[in-house]
Amino acid sequence: QVTLRESGPALVKPTQTLTLTCTFSGFSLNTSGMCVSWIRQPPGKALEWLARIDWDDDKYYSTSLKTRLTISKDTSKNQVVLTMTNMDPVDTATYYCARIAGCGRGGYYFNYWGQGTLVTVSS
Amino acid sequence: DIQMTQSPSTLSASVGDRVTITCRASQSVSSWLAWYQQKPGKAPKVLIYKVSSLESGVPSRFSGSESGTEFTLTISSLQPDDFATYYCQQYNSFPWTFGQGTKVEIK
Repeated sequence: QVTLRESGPALVKPTQTLTLTCTFSGFSLNTSGMCVSWIRQPPGKALEWLARIDWDDDKYYSTSLKTRLTISKDTSKNQVVLTMTNMDPVDTATYYCARIAGCGRGGYYFNYWGQGTLVTVSS
Repeated sequence: DIQMTQSPSTLSASVGDRVTITCRASQSVSSWLAWYQQKPGKAPKVLIYKVSSLESGVPSRFSGSESGTEFTLTISSLQPDDFATYYCQQYNSFPWTFGQGTKVEIK
């Protein structure tokens, strides 16, 4: 059974760095074809893809947020970590991690999601 | 970036209605398009991938189709559990992008 769970601070101040952790089970990021992404959703707004990390440590980022994002993995802990620098109130959103159905095989859609974690940026 | 434009933004319908949601891509996404359903306070759930392939466990009343760069999600007979917001997503090229969503409301 595949599960993902996001964790991190609920409140950050402007200019601070946000660190979110996705802890997953039911699969391994050591396995070929496994990839995990982060997606966010501001309150009442649409989904926005942020970043992806692959089993072979390839990484991909949103064009508009590339300079602020870093994604990494700790396969021994079954975790994926996203850091976002220089947080701003417009970054207030629910942040989701999700597993990609089939990396390298064209199945680049999200078939398992965490429940999401709401991050508010405010002083 | 590829822009995904959904229409309508809101749709009012009754149980049993046939519902169609459209998603238009600003350029070709080949057939790399998925549809998600999201209920308030919940994570999205994939319904359809690769334009028309039904995800396991999704009811057959959901279907997808394409015509060029225009994609359609159809619910053949709307059920009470289907009132939700629906998003399309292209995964043909980076950055992956979503539509702005279509909310299906009770009429």
